[in-house]
Amino acid sequence: GAVVSQHPSWVICKSGTSVKIECRSLDFQATTMFWYRQFPKQSLMLMATSNEGSKATYEQGVEKDKFLINHASLTLSTLTVTSAHPEDSSFYICSASPTGVAGELFFGEGSRLTVL
Amino acid sequence: GQQVMQIPQYQHVQEGEDFTTYCNSSTTLSNIQWYKQRPGGHPVFLIQLVKSGEVKKQKRLTFQFGEAKKNSSLHITATQTTDVGTYFCAPRGGYSTLTFGKGTMLLVSP
Repeated sequence: GAVVSQHPSWVICKSGTSVKIECRSLDFQATTMFWYRQFPKQSLMLMATSNEGSKATYEQGVEKDKFLINHASLTLSTLTVTSAHPEDSSFYICSASPTGVAGELFFGEGSRLTVL
Repeated sequence: GQQVMQIPQYQHVQEGEDFTTYCNSSTTLSNIQWYKQRPGGHPVFLIQLVKSGEVKKQKRLTFQFGEAKKNSSLHITATQTTDVGTYFCAPRGGYSTLTFGKGTMLLVSP
């Protein structure tokens, strides 16, 4: 199957700092990538849809100025959590599909963010 | 995204027992996908169902899509400890973005 890589796997930061998470499709091009957030023992909540070469589409209730998404190439999307606070601590997962938005999703390994 | 109810939220079985999780929607779905997430891991695609009444099998796993395309189920026969994890249905209506049900957490005791 296709491979999606996410980095870093773990990150601990101080409150008020910014953190960047990278999501790469290693063996396919992805015009669209998806960013999810998952709290312990809960489902995946779609945060935004990242579109290569254009602005991301954010889900209702997700602050676009706080969660900056950049999809500069067909294999890389980044999520930057700006001015992080403890409540932003969560598991962030990206996904993409080599067959377009209607196909099966391949997920990155996830990034666990802890904000102190 | 499409909203669904997934039940049960949690199930604990003894190894060898069967397990079923259900995904129900109030509206007709164009298709539905199922994913499995192991503890500490990321979701992994299992199957996609598209046709009304469709039934697909993967070894001990049986997936069904209802005739009205409003519900789906995943049945595991004779569970094993390797089946532990959370099973999510991910329904799609039309061309909407894929969203996930709340999931069913399965725990299997040896």
